[in-house]
Parts: sequence; C-alpha cells; structure tokens
Amino acid sequence: NAGVTQTPKFRVLKTGQSMTLLCAQDMNHEYMYWYRQDPGMGLRLIHYSVGEGTTAKGEVPDGYNVSRLKKQNFLLGLESAAPSQTSVYFCASSYSGDLSFDGYTFGSGTRLTVV
Amino acid sequence: KQEVTQIPAALSVPEGENLVLNCSFTDSAIYNLQWFRQDPGKGLTSLLLIQSSQREQTSGRLNASLDKSSGRSTLYIAASQPGDSATYLCAVRPGRDDKIIFGKGTRLHILP
Repeated sequence: NAGVTQTPKFRVLKTGQSMTLLCAQDMNHEYMYWYRQDPGMGLRLIHYSVGEGTTAKGEVPDGYNVSRLKKQNFLLGLESAAPSQTSVYFCASSYSGDLSFDGYTFGSGTRLTVV
Repeated sequence: KQEVTQIPAALSVPEGENLVLNCSFTDSAIYNLQWFRQDPGKGLTSLLLIQSSQREQTSGRLNASLDKSSGRSTLYIAASQPGDSATYLCAVRPGRDDKIIFGKGTRLHILP
C-alpha cells in the first residue's frame, strides 16, 4: 500500500517556466490537499479538493492552479514560476467517511527551487 | 477562529528521559486532533489520532491525551531515544468537513 505518492521529489525551475506536480493516492480518499512549507511559516494550504472534479482555494492560492480529474490524482500547476514559489510542497489526503481513522496522510514532499 | 499553539518551539533532553510535548487550542469544539512527526527534509508521518470522544491514544512509547474542556493535548514520549529527534506537529480538525489547523511544531533534540 503506497499511500500518498508525490512526483517529482526535486525540481529546479527558471523564473517564468511552468510545471505540474503530481499527487497520487491509493486509499480511495475523497479529500486531497496541497500545502507549502516554508521556514518560520509552517504549513500553509494552497488548494484542496473534496471530491473528483472539485477544487477550492486555500490560504495561499495565488500563482497556482489545480485539477482533480480522477479521484486518485490531484495536480498542482505553476503557470509562470517565481522565486517566491521556492518551497517544499506536500500533498495530503483524507477520507471523512471512515471514523476508525479519519486523519490526514501526507506524501513525502517535492522540493522546488525557482532561480 | 481556531488557533493551535505548541510550546516550547524547541526542546533538548538527555537520552532516556520521559518527556511531554504540549499543544493548546482556542476552541474546545473539535472533531479530532492528530500528532505528526517530521524529520528534516522529509514528509509528515502520522503518530496518533484522537477523536473528540476519546481521552487518549497509545502507540508503543507514545501516549497522546486530549482534554477538550481545557483546550489541551499532550504527547508523552517514554524513555526517549536519539531516533526520536524530529519536529512534532499538532493538528486540530474543527469539524468533520473542516480542514486541519496546524501548530508551528516543537523541534525535539535527544542528546546521546
């Protein structure tokens, strides 16, 4: 059982380039989330999804877009990368219907550097 | 608005000691509370999840308690080991359909 898998693990982009981060979960979770983690700022929610075909803005959505075409996948896109988007990105999922473990499961992260 | 606070921000203790990490939250109406561990450069690993109807959860040397009325949770680590060195994050979920709210974490260093 792989849980939550993020690809790629590392990436260096030049300012203005675009890229997509992929999050895949095999736990049949309904909800999925993208966070960024910066020193001194903690974890901040970028976008989230409460089911296939749905997306919603989180705390820091500007400069990012997301899509959830399939239940198991949640994509985070950067259309025109900026140095301020240098960060570690984490994907998470949860399934509110299972009360035996109704918590969050996180991926291992993507370290993105924009130069 | 729910706020989650973890004090202290950093803690160093000698190996073998028992220790307690604290988490406080401002609104006692919560759905559940989750403790995570994060190693440097790594993702978050779930340690313990306490539903609002529970008072504590145990896993190995770890024990997490929840006191909703006082807005507090504690993570107790018995017989600490150098491998326990990591950042410990507390996260509160206000309601079933709400997103979790993280504390800033406690960075723990166990001295050999």
